[in-house]
Amino acid sequence: DGGITQSPKYLFRKEGQNVTLSCEQNLNHDAMYWYRQDPGQGLRLIYYSQIVNDFQKGDIAEGYSVSREKKESFPLTVTSAQKNPTAFYLCASGYREGQPQHFGDGTRLSIL
Amino acid sequence: QKEVEQNSGPLSVPEGAIASLNCTYSDRGSQSFFWYRQYSGKSPELIMSIYSNGDKEDGRFTAQLNKASQYVSLLIRDSQPSDSATYLCAVLSGGYQKVTFGTGTKLQVIP
Repeated sequence: DGGITQSPKYLFRKEGQNVTLSCEQNLNHDAMYWYRQDPGQGLRLIYYSQIVNDFQKGDIAEGYSVSREKKESFPLTVTSAQKNPTAFYLCASGYREGQPQHFGDGTRLSIL
Repeated sequence: QKEVEQNSGPLSVPEGAIASLNCTYSDRGSQSFFWYRQYSGKSPELIMSIYSNGDKEDGRFTAQLNKASQYVSLLIRDSQPSDSATYLCAVLSGGYQKVTFGTGTKLQVIP
């Protein structure tokens, strides 16, 4: 079954800690995206990648980092520099540039 | 001015009625337009894409695009309680090759 797998489903971060959210897809999509969703708000783009070993900052990249070493994988690290990390994080992928077609189930991140 | 604007709702319609969801956007160079459905606590699901002026129909869903008025809408015919969700409008801007999402309209279909 093709799709996007995000893990973990829930994550708790301690003060000063970096945490990494996993995103794996087996849809053979070139483009992958990370979004953040806060209550009552739309999705905001954190980072996106159109090919392996290349990625661009989105609208709210500060305090986050990514890597794209494999086509299938696009992990997101929430660093201690991100002062308000509590949110619903969504990974997406798509064939066409800029067009997220499929979303993972998301990771809910909270601060301990 | 927000780049993509939607009325947050909730929009309440009786079962069997037509639900009309609206979205306006600011970038005249926008190329592609999308509607996503998001159930509470879940991730968005792409339900419609539209690229040219006019109507595009898919089952009970019709997307309408008017680039001159910078307006895109989604009509849901014969609304069902299972259609109750938040509907996100998204626009692919011409210059940046990235999608901007609206904040979503919450739809409630009353049995």
